[in-house]
Amino acid sequence: KAGVTQTPRYLIKTRGQQVTLSCSPISGHRSVSWYQQTPGQGLQFLFEYFSETQRNKGNFPGRFSGRQFSNSRSEMNVSTLELGDSALYLCASSLYSGNTIYFGEGSWLTVV
Amino acid sequence: QKEVEQDPGPLSVPEGAIVSLNCTYSNSAFQYFMWYRQYSRKGPELLMYTYSSGNKEDGRFTAQVDKSSKYISLFIRDSQPSDSATYLCAIDQTGANNLFFGTGTRLTVIP
Repeated sequence: KAGVTQTPRYLIKTRGQQVTLSCSPISGHRSVSWYQQTPGQGLQFLFEYFSETQRNKGNFPGRFSGRQFSNSRSEMNVSTLELGDSALYLCASSLYSGNTIYFGEGSWLTVV
Repeated sequence: QKEVEQDPGPLSVPEGAIVSLNCTYSNSAFQYFMWYRQYSRKGPELLMYTYSSGNKEDGRFTAQVDKSSKYISLFIRDSQPSDSATYLCAIDQTGANNLFFGTGTRLTVIP
């Protein structure tokens, strides 16, 4: 069974640009969550989607947004990139909200 | 106060040692407790998942939860060099999928 797949794995962007990251959950999983991991703050919850609806949102500015499609695939977008947005962005999926979540390998974003 | 605090380490032990990793949490409403292992430049991998006080064993790994003290632990027996990684504790409220993570403990097992 394929795991959570995230693309792209690595990317470099310039301050002020925007970026879109993609996540394909484990087959059959309907909940997708996004996390940001940085050396200073560790792993922090961004948001969760279930059946195309955002169910929960972490304490991040509105520049961070996401969506989920009918096939459960999800994208997150960061607009007006700042240097501090450099991080590993992790997607996780679970069968339903509240079940065990499984992480992908992450997308490494560097903002220069 | 952070929702979960984790002993930061780093921790360096000889092969075969017993490793103890610990976290404390602040809110008694948290009911689900997890341990993840993360290798360098990889995503976290679920090791243990428990929702009750007591011990849960899986091979060389034992997760321990003490809800009265708001304290969780992961023990690794007969540690191997392949166990060298960062270990993250995580806690969850029911149905939220909003995990609160500890900062992680970096473990090195020396052959």
